[in-house]
Amino acid sequence: QKEVEQDPGPLSVPEGAIVSLNCTYSNSAFQYFMWYRQYSRKGPELLMYTYSSGNKEDGRFTAQVDKSSKYISLFIRDSQPSDSATYLCAMSSANYGGATNKLIFGTGTLLAVQP
Amino acid sequence: DGGITQSPKYLFRKEGQNVTLSCEQNLNHDAMYWYRQDPGQGLRLIYYSQIVNDFQKGDIAEGYSVSREKKESFPLTVTSAQKNPTAFYLCASSKDRGHEQYFGPGTRLTVT
Repeated sequence: QKEVEQDPGPLSVPEGAIVSLNCTYSNSAFQYFMWYRQYSRKGPELLMYTYSSGNKEDGRFTAQVDKSSKYISLFIRDSQPSDSATYLCAMSSANYGGATNKLIFGTGTLLAVQP
Repeated sequence: DGGITQSPKYLFRKEGQNVTLSCEQNLNHDAMYWYRQDPGQGLRLIYYSQIVNDFQKGDIAEGYSVSREKKESFPLTVTSAQKNPTAFYLCASSKDRGHEQYFGPGTRLTVT
């Protein structure tokens, strides 16, 4: 079993729809959760960063973490064709002992927003 | 503008040749990372460096080598020992040992 599971999609939605992207994980030590957006043939761009459980909102994007269920979500409101990309979740454990924190990535979900 | 640059964008090599990928950052970040991205496999960590003149192996270091002589630079050499070198290579950096990693635009390496 992979440490982080993410549905690869593709997920196709009409413009203006609310999009829900999800990841599940198995390592209960994960406390830092990130969402990246990656356009085709480009490097990932950090979208959202959250610590522990709860919600974080930034414009049309909301990140949600449920540590009890080991489940994280990214919601995109009023989706636009420019949101069409691959969305990667990533997570890491707490910074013990000063060691650099390795990110564990999901495989990414391909989203297509149709005009 | 602060950011991470990788060059070249596309690289073609013959099997058996070593090749070096460049990564430079002007974000004043201490830590730098190299990842490999293959279809359906997500990002896998090759090497990382927390400070100058120090680096650690990641999950798939075999066939790769790095150096960190300057804070701004973290070049990756793909050696002929790497069995499947064709991939999209991504460099990232973070402040201290932070969890927020910022990525460069990537280098697509094709070995034939």
